[in-house]
Amino acid sequence: EAGVTQFPSHSVIEKGQTVTLRCDPISGHDNLYWYRRVMGKEIKFLLHFVKESKQDESGMPNNRFLAERTGGTYSTLKVQPAELEDSGVYFCASSSGQGLNSPLHFGNGTRLTVT
Amino acid sequence: AQSVTQLDSHVSVSEGTPVLLRCNYSSSYSPSLFWYVQHPNKGLQLLLKYTSAATLVKGINGFEAEFKKSETSFHLTKPSAHMSDAAEYFCVVRLIRAAGNKLTFGGGTRVLVKP
Repeated sequence: EAGVTQFPSHSVIEKGQTVTLRCDPISGHDNLYWYRRVMGKEIKFLLHFVKESKQDESGMPNNRFLAERTGGTYSTLKVQPAELEDSGVYFCASSSGQGLNSPLHFGNGTRLTVT
Repeated sequence: AQSVTQLDSHVSVSEGTPVLLRCNYSSSYSPSLFWYVQHPNKGLQLLLKYTSAATLVKGINGFEAEFKKSETSFHLTKPSAHMSDAAEYFCVVRLIRAAGNKLTFGGGTRVLVKP
């Protein structure tokens, strides 16, 4: 089966611009997660979708970040306007369920650089 | 609240020698613990997980980890390092009573394997 796919793999934008990251989960996985790792810090949870609904968005840093999952398939994460501190690697993951026997499958990440 | 501390940010070993990656956790409840690995330009891959069954957990690629409640530790070991083990390793805790898969990551340990 195809794994979790993220696009683009790298993005370099200027401060104040807008960037949209995309994640395609494993087919049939209702649960989709966004995590990020900013430079020198731990990987942190951003939010969790169940199908098209946001189950937990407690990790979203501020209102410059908007995540959507229309139709419950792929998801986008938009940063508008981007700031320097948004630079880092954004990971997407998916799982079939929420129990311990439903491990998270991670994508390769999108490396975002804001200059 | 829960937290994870990886005691070494970098570990350097010679090929064929043992690897030890240290992890201590803090959790109010019985934790579920995981180790993930990230090879360069790849996604996070699950190595192994502890879910309150056997305290010694075997994972992929010859890795294993031992859960020690009295020491709040979950150290990762491998008896003989291979060049392909060069990667970054993450200790992760998931609060077993929480809904969903909101994971808390340690800071990561980067492993260098010398020939």
